[in-house]
Amino acid sequence: GQQVQQSPASLVLQEGENAELQCNFSSTATRLQWFYQRPGGSLVSLLYNPSGTKHTGRLTSTTVTKERRSSLHISSSQTTDSGTYFCAMEPAGGYKVVFGSGTRLLVSP
Amino acid sequence: GGIITQTPKFLIGQEGQKLTLKCQQNFNHDTMYWYRQDSGKGLRLIYYSITENDLQKGDLSEGYDASREKKSSFSLTVTSAQKNEMAVFLCASSRTGDAEQFFGPGTRLTVL
Repeated sequence: GQQVQQSPASLVLQEGENAELQCNFSSTATRLQWFYQRPGGSLVSLLYNPSGTKHTGRLTSTTVTKERRSSLHISSSQTTDSGTYFCAMEPAGGYKVVFGSGTRLLVSP
Repeated sequence: GGIITQTPKFLIGQEGQKLTLKCQQNFNHDTMYWYRQDSGKGLRLIYYSITENDLQKGDLSEGYDASREKKSSFSLTVTSAQKNEMAVFLCASSRTGDAEQFFGPGTRLTVL
């Protein structure tokens, strides 16, 4: 089946440090989206980025479709960035979006 | 903009019971999805629907039924609740099958 691998599984940073989250997938993606989830919360869409580079606030996502990978860069992390970040992709030819297992980020003051 | 609402927020049932979860969206999106999220894990697709009255099985459809009664609503039924089914069920929608997804707040299921 389709695989989405996220790394690292967890990350601990000091406030102000940058974070780099990776997402690798096993087939060509027609949809690639990054989500954020607080413990017990719902999923919030951060960036929809099937190819190229997109920015919003302190977030930058770069997706290289040919290499089947995407990254999410968080600059100047804040304690409120703590939570789990999910990458989700849809393989070409289908609606079945596949989620990675997430990267748990903890930003300490 | 729009919003996705899920009811109920918390659902407690007995083992063997049939339980129904509801989802409404006012984005006027064609495609809707139901996912299950176990504690500390990623999401797994149960069912999706690309238009009214359409139903497509995801990877986790066994033990569940779904119904797309109209474009704006998508229901999920747990046909016989089991204790290992305790999880959060998340509904999502997207304009088309390859567009950005938006999620509802979730229904937390507890089976006694």
